[in-house]
Amino acid sequence: GDSVTQMEGPVTLSEEAFLTINCTYTATGYPSLFWYVQYPGEGLQLLLKATKADDKGSNKGFEATYRKETTSFHLEKGSVQVSDSAVYFCALTTSSGNTPLVFGKGTRLSVIA
Amino acid sequence: EAGVVQSPRYKIIEKKQPVAFWCNPISGHNTLYWYLQNLGQGPELLIRYENEEAVDDSQLPKDRFSAERLKGVDSTLKIQPAELGDSAVYLCASSLVTQGEQYFGPGTRLTVT
Repeated sequence: GDSVTQMEGPVTLSEEAFLTINCTYTATGYPSLFWYVQYPGEGLQLLLKATKADDKGSNKGFEATYRKETTSFHLEKGSVQVSDSAVYFCALTTSSGNTPLVFGKGTRLSVIA
Repeated sequence: EAGVVQSPRYKIIEKKQPVAFWCNPISGHNTLYWYLQNLGQGPELLIRYENEEAVDDSQLPKDRFSAERLKGVDSTLKIQPAELGDSAVYLCASSLVTQGEQYFGPGTRLTVT
């Protein structure tokens, strides 16, 4: 079945450091890919998405490129801030049928000043 | 625009007791989802509604879990009786259409003692 694998956390970075959170997927059909962020005490929020190969999603300084050849959707940010501390989830949904979102286990990011 | 509303935010019950969670989706959203999120894991779909019809409940443990969305708007998820292993966060999400962007509520954190 469809699945998402994320790098395990926690990830601890200093402010202004470069961030990469790896995400790879297995899916039938042609999935759409997502990154969600969950701040402490809040619900999941869509951070960015890409719906086809080579698309780049971007938002709030975060970017991720849909790489079909490596089945990856790695999240990057050039300079993290303390306010980016949260749990980040990679997810997919396929266009076949009505597949719901399939999530990775999440990666906790802590940014220290 | 109001987001997805869930209540209660927190619930502590003893095992074998019943519990119910309520969700009000974003106005006009036809599709409603209930997810289970265990600690340190990504959300897992329990049930998906298209209007008032449950179109995907394959992951719902039907011996103790039930859900309803009688008028195709708000929804209730019930557990009876609760077990220790049901301690988790129960997330509700909605989307305008199937395959559309899902918006999540803040979740209900259930603790079964």
